[in-house]
Amino acid sequence: DTEVTQTPKHLVMGMTNKKSLKCEQHMGHRAMYWYKQKAKKPPELMFVYSYEKLSINESVPSRFSPECPNSSLLNLHLHALQPEDSALYLCASSLGLTPSGANVLTFGAGSRLTVL
Amino acid sequence: GQNIDQPTEMTATEGAIVQINCTYQTSGFNGLFWYQQHAGEAPTFLSYNVLDGLEEKGRFSSFLSRSKGYSYLLLKELQMKDSASYLCAVNWGGATNKLIFGTGTLLAVQP
Repeated sequence: DTEVTQTPKHLVMGMTNKKSLKCEQHMGHRAMYWYKQKAKKPPELMFVYSYEKLSINESVPSRFSPECPNSSLLNLHLHALQPEDSALYLCASSLGLTPSGANVLTFGAGSRLTVL
Repeated sequence: GQNIDQPTEMTATEGAIVQINCTYQTSGFNGLFWYQQHAGEAPTFLSYNVLDGLEEKGRFSSFLSRSKGYSYLLLKELQMKDSASYLCAVNWGGATNKLIFGTGTLLAVQP
């Protein structure tokens, strides 16, 4: 298995809803990432997990809450979002966290979020 | 800052060669990646450079000059399927894989 699987592919939610995005990989990768991508813009780093512990939080608002229940799963819990949070949310994983050519990020296809 | 700059759009002809440039701030540099992203799809890895010089992978090559804060991606024998966004990404995380993406270049390959 060489894929990162994200669900749901599309999500529409109101500003008072609580929802979650899920990401799964079975490649034995120990680092997992959340990126946010607006239309025609590059991905922006949100969170990095290493060995199920939060390693980097890029000053993301608390209405986004990441969770890494085990080494294969990464969730992003969403609450009280704003319309400007509408974007493609990309999950990625890498073998390890050390910067190197061995730790290339593999991306999922993303979850497209629309906040009404 | 972590500014990574690329041309916004480029157009090239099928069968030709195109070079996509990327410039970045050198402080804290720890490796550079090139990714390809087709519309509505996930970015896919193309190449990695951490030392100066040229890395070749089939039709794609990537060059790095660390002292100049400069990289380019060279695509040869262009095919229509190469129409996509090309993202330069720099690792600035020190001991951590903190990959920051550049502005991206949208390449259109024409017949």
